[in-house]
Amino acid sequence: GEQVEQLPSILRVQEGSSASINCSYEDSASNYFPWYKQEPGENPKLIIDIRSNMERKQIQELIVLLDKKAKRFSLHITDTQPGDSAMYFCAASKGTGSKLSFGKGAKLTVSP
Amino acid sequence: DTTVKQNPRYKLARVGKPVNLICSQTMNHDTMYWYQKKPNQAPKLLLFYYDKILNREADTFEKFQSSRPNNSFCSLYIGSAGLEYSAMYLCASSAGQRNTGQLYFGEGSKLTVL
Repeated sequence: GEQVEQLPSILRVQEGSSASINCSYEDSASNYFPWYKQEPGENPKLIIDIRSNMERKQIQELIVLLDKKAKRFSLHITDTQPGDSAMYFCAASKGTGSKLSFGKGAKLTVSP
Repeated sequence: DTTVKQNPRYKLARVGKPVNLICSQTMNHDTMYWYQKKPNQAPKLLLFYYDKILNREADTFEKFQSSRPNNSFCSLYIGSAGLEYSAMYLCASSAGQRNTGQLYFGEGSKLTVL
């Protein structure tokens, strides 16, 4: 199946700064790239996604960039808050309803 | 209600004993998934049901069984637990082709095999 690499695995930032998490994938047929956030003791929840017909998508402080040529996509959180502290998983699939392949996750800690 | 429920939340099992994990959703989703999550590893898809059709991943084919008696419920069954089965098991559901493909996850069942 699809292999998704995610870096860094641990990220610590100061409140108000930005945080970036990078992912890469192998299968050029992948066309759907969601990001899930998992807070301690909670279930992973979809926070933003991007499809291959877009290069950039923003929802409030979340920005996702997709570089199809390089087979990379990234999540950028601007103006981080302590509430952004969580595990973040990137994933890739070949389309809606197809099985997702996940990255290992990145633990983000935002310090006040 | 967009919740996926999993039971039990925590399970302690002896090596060689069976384990049965339960998942339910009331969103009428046609697809339900089971993922295995170990520390510092990506969630690994074990199997999924699309409607009544079970799809098992090739490398976990013989290790896990599942049943889906109706649209709302899906179980994950381990016939004889080994130490390597200790992990968090995440159930998820999605509406397949009918929407964005978003997965809704349960809170997980943490299995510890001793």
